[in-house]
Amino acid sequence: SQELEQSPQSLIVQEGKNLTINCTSSKTLYGLYWYKQKYGEGLIFLMMLQKGGEEKSHEKITAKLDEKKQQSSLHITASQPSHAGIYLCGADRVDSGYALNFGKGTSLLVTP
Amino acid sequence: DAGVIQSPRHEVTEMGQEVTLRCKPISGHNSLFWYRQTMMRGLELLIYFNNNVPIDDSGMPEDRFSAKMPNASFSTLKIQPSEPRDSAVYFCASSWTMNTEAFFGQGTRLTVV
Repeated sequence: SQELEQSPQSLIVQEGKNLTINCTSSKTLYGLYWYKQKYGEGLIFLMMLQKGGEEKSHEKITAKLDEKKQQSSLHITASQPSHAGIYLCGADRVDSGYALNFGKGTSLLVTP
Repeated sequence: DAGVIQSPRHEVTEMGQEVTLRCKPISGHNSLFWYRQTMMRGLELLIYFNNNVPIDDSGMPEDRFSAKMPNASFSTLKIQPSEPRDSAVYFCASSWTMNTEAFFGQGTRLTVV
């Protein structure tokens, strides 16, 4: 089955700093999804990437998909306390339909 | 739209008891997913439905777990009998169709003592 490895597992950054979270798949990526989760809450959809080389941005968050490396990165520019939470990547399980497999998440804390 | 609605938000039960978790997907969505989240294993897919039909239940851990979707606006996940290792946060999610983003409910935090 497909496995998604996220790095780092946790991250503490100072407000205003940039950061990058990576997600690497053990199998070919057909669709890559980024979600954010705050403690005790559900997952909030951020972005979906489907094509190699695709890049999407929403406010200060940019995600890229490198199909050849089977990898996606999430970059946050000028981080703010509101960016704190757990970021999870998910990928289509093409071998058994289109439900998502998820990585274990990257916990982000932004300090003042 | 109110989003995906799950109930209850919190459930504490004794080992051996039956537990039923409920989910109302977003109106018009054709796919519904049940996930379980724990610190050790992360977010695991248990089962998903398309047009009310179970497509893949290979993630259901044991026969103690069962899920139903009697109509497009309601699904249940039942654990009978419950065990302490079932303690986790259970999420329901729905999507317009397969291969599109899923919208998650707030989850049900289950504690089995």
